[in-house]
This record gives sequence, C-alpha cells and structure tokens, in this order.
Amino acid sequence: GEDVEQSLFLSVREGDSSVINCTYTDSSSTYLYWYKQEPGAGLQLLTYIFSNMDMKQDQRLTVLLNKKDKHLSLRIADTQTGDSAIYFCAESLSGNTGKLIFGQGTTLQVKP
Amino acid sequence: EAGVVQSPRYKIIEKKQPVAFWCNPISGHNTLYWYLQNLGQGPELLIRYENEEAVDDSQLPKDRFSAERLKGVDSTLKIQPAELGDSAVYLCASSLTGANEQFFGPGTRLTVL
Repeated sequence: GEDVEQSLFLSVREGDSSVINCTYTDSSSTYLYWYKQEPGAGLQLLTYIFSNMDMKQDQRLTVLLNKKDKHLSLRIADTQTGDSAIYFCAESLSGNTGKLIFGQGTTLQVKP
Repeated sequence: EAGVVQSPRYKIIEKKQPVAFWCNPISGHNTLYWYLQNLGQGPELLIRYENEEAVDDSQLPKDRFSAERLKGVDSTLKIQPAELGDSAVYLCASSLTGANEQFFGPGTRLTVL
C-alpha cells in the first residue's frame, strides 16, 4: 500500500544546513511535495518536484529525489529560527488526481 | 488574495453532540478537500469535491460523518454524534482543477470531552 515515512525530529544550530529525509513506497508517484506547518496553522506548500526530475532548487531550499531508492530530501541552507516548524513530505499518485499521502512530519528545531 | 477560510478555529463539545465545520475555498478553486489531522500525524484525506460532486469519499466514515458542497463553493463537514476519538484538527484545502498545488486553511481544532 501507499506509505510515506519521515524521521520525527531534527535539531540544528542557526546558520547550519538542515536536511530532512523522506521515503515512500509507491513507485507510481507523480509529484512529491514538501509542506511546512507552524503551530496552530495550516500547511504551507514549500516546493514540489515532478517524479522525472532528480533535483530542484528554490532559494534556500534544495529538493533531491532518488527515484530508484524512493527517497526524497529537503535541504534548507542557512537555517533560521523562523524555519522551526513541522515539515511534511507528501506524494500524489498517478491516476488518483488530487489525493496526497502525507508522512507523519519531521519537527525541525533551530537553536540560536 | 484571501486564502482558504475555515470556521470555527476551535470547538469543544461533549461526546454524542453534533458539530459542523465550515470552509470557504480560494475564489475560483473548483476542487475542495477535507483532511483529518490527528496529533503527531500528517493529514489524511476524508473527501474531495470537484465543484459540487464528491469524487472521492472512500475515507469518510459515513456512519457519523457527512459533508456537502451544495453550490460548488463553500462546504460543510458534519459529525453526528461526535466520539472522543474524533478529537483532531480538520483541515480544508482547495486547488484549481487538475493543479498540483493544494492550499490549506488554518484548520478547526476539535476537542471532544
């Protein structure tokens, strides 16, 4: 079945890079997403990558996709205290337009 | 441009009581989603609408949950009767039809006592 797994917690120092990892099981995934959720707020789409790409960069964010290993990562350069939040990886499946399968989220703690 | 609006933001009820949540999607977004987010978990899709038609309600517990989107814009999600295990955040999202980006509202945090 469809499953998305993430590590639960990551702690970094301000100014360091953060790397949040995600694995998924469904090889028919078409798009993979990274969402950010701050306390008491909804999910904010950060970036997404099409499954035939292996990298996407957007300012401080770099997404790497290893389709063979079904592994997705989000790198945040120069991490700031405002980046502290929960980060969710999600996949959308081909033939099932709109349905997203989310991981359980990774809590990123940025220490000053 | 206004985002997805949800109300109420918080709701506390006693078990066996009914409760309803309201969502107003982004203007022009034909696709509307209701998600359930349990504490410490990612969101799980409950139902997806294309205009006023529910095109995927396979995850909606139909014995106590119902939803409607009568005019293809606003939507309501209802639970009757609520159970203790329904305590969670209920998220609404919307998108343009066939688009990759879903935009989420702030959610309604439900506490059932």
